[in-house]
Amino acid sequence: DAKTTQPTSMDCAEGRAANLPCNHSTISGNEYVYWYRQIHSQGPQYIIHGLKNNETNEMASLIITEDRKSSTLILPHATLRDTAVYYCIVRGLYNTDKLIFGTGTRLQVFP
Amino acid sequence: EPEVTQTPSHQVTQMGQEVILRCVPISNHLYFYWYRQILGQKVEFLVSFYNNEISEKSEIFDDQFSVERPDGSNFTLKIRSTKLEDSAMYFCASRGQGQAYSGANVLTFGAGSRLTVL
Repeated sequence: DAKTTQPTSMDCAEGRAANLPCNHSTISGNEYVYWYRQIHSQGPQYIIHGLKNNETNEMASLIITEDRKSSTLILPHATLRDTAVYYCIVRGLYNTDKLIFGTGTRLQVFP
Repeated sequence: EPEVTQTPSHQVTQMGQEVILRCVPISNHLYFYWYRQILGQKVEFLVSFYNNEISEKSEIFDDQFSVERPDGSNFTLKIRSTKLEDSAMYFCASRGQGQAYSGANVLTFGAGSRLTVL
């Protein structure tokens, strides 16, 4: 699976958009980008995933660059409950079933 | 919203004892997983399970570990003889079968079982 690079930590003011970047320059054509988050020591929570088109759901938006070498997770109106570690994971659907978690980005939302 | 349920939430055991961690996956899911997270470290894959057999396992998942789906609802992780370094949070996850864009091909994790080995 392709390796991802994320900033170690970020801050965001409550109510503002949180933009979390991820680099995955070695991504291959059949690999998807998945985002999960982990609030404190709870189980990871799925947020969103995509292949090449931008995606949006009730939690977030995912913007993938045209060359697919990087992506940005956008939380449009961050709340204090969005404080968590956010993981960007690249995974092919057919060569392996496992998710490989990196160290992620620790997002701190402040009042 | 359907959820993955894990028991116990916290277990304390003596080194060398056997431990069984239990999970009830989402009812129509077919793929099951165990992950663990040692305090302050990354979430690590242990094993995946489908159609009553292990489909993939990591190097962590040695002979001390085993998994079982004893009935139609439970999925268990057994550690035969616990070591101090087995102290960690253990997460069960499950997923359904489907295409990527159906939303079914994503993992739902439980809240975890914290194992403390003394």
